[in-house]
Amino acid sequence: ILNVEQSPQSLHVQEGDSTNFTCSFPSSNFYALHWYRWETAKSPEALFVMTLNGDEKKKGRISATLNTKEGYSYLYIKGSQPEDSATYLCAFHAGGTSYGKLTFGQGTILTVHP
Amino acid sequence: SAVISQKPSRDICQRGTSLTIQCQVDSQVTMMFWYRQQPGQSLTLIATANQGSEATYESGFVIDKFPISRPNLTFSTLTVSNMSPEDSSIYLCSVASSYNSPLHFGNGTRLTVT
Repeated sequence: ILNVEQSPQSLHVQEGDSTNFTCSFPSSNFYALHWYRWETAKSPEALFVMTLNGDEKKKGRISATLNTKEGYSYLYIKGSQPEDSATYLCAFHAGGTSYGKLTFGQGTILTVHP
Repeated sequence: SAVISQKPSRDICQRGTSLTIQCQVDSQVTMMFWYRQQPGQSLTLIATANQGSEATYESGFVIDKFPISRPNLTFSTLTVSNMSPEDSSIYLCSVASSYNSPLHFGNGTRLTVT
């Protein structure tokens, strides 16, 4: 059984704060690491798909880093806004499995207060 | 990215009954993936729906409980059979185009079994 863990479980920040969350995953048999944002009553939205050790990706105020050797990824949000409030999910894609077969963490629930 | 329509968006059902969830994609896709999220748990893959062949179920999920149809490359259904309160979950269909592409999700079906 693959173990994908996210921390913290929830986070409350003030508008304008920068924040970051962690995703830990198996360091063996790695193929890709995905990040998604899931807002209430909407569908999960893809943020990043990361495949290379040392990879860094950025989308607006959100960025992510990847360390496949030690099995962790960080997601950073710079200058949080209330609209960033959502559950952030990471998902591990193991090598040798079909491309839709992801193992998800339980998510980090972010609340940004105005 | 693919546009995925899923229905119903929510339902409240009595135990012992069955519910069929429909998923329509606006483009042809080889594989469609059915996930569920039980309260407080991670998104978990139920099965992969393949056109022209039986679905591939993950460990812990069986065809008698979650029969899946895939009549063509743009449509799939998932039935939750003989429901119990433990089946109360969000059910999501999703698609991906390749190994390095993210999953695209429908809006989900929020099922409550009483």
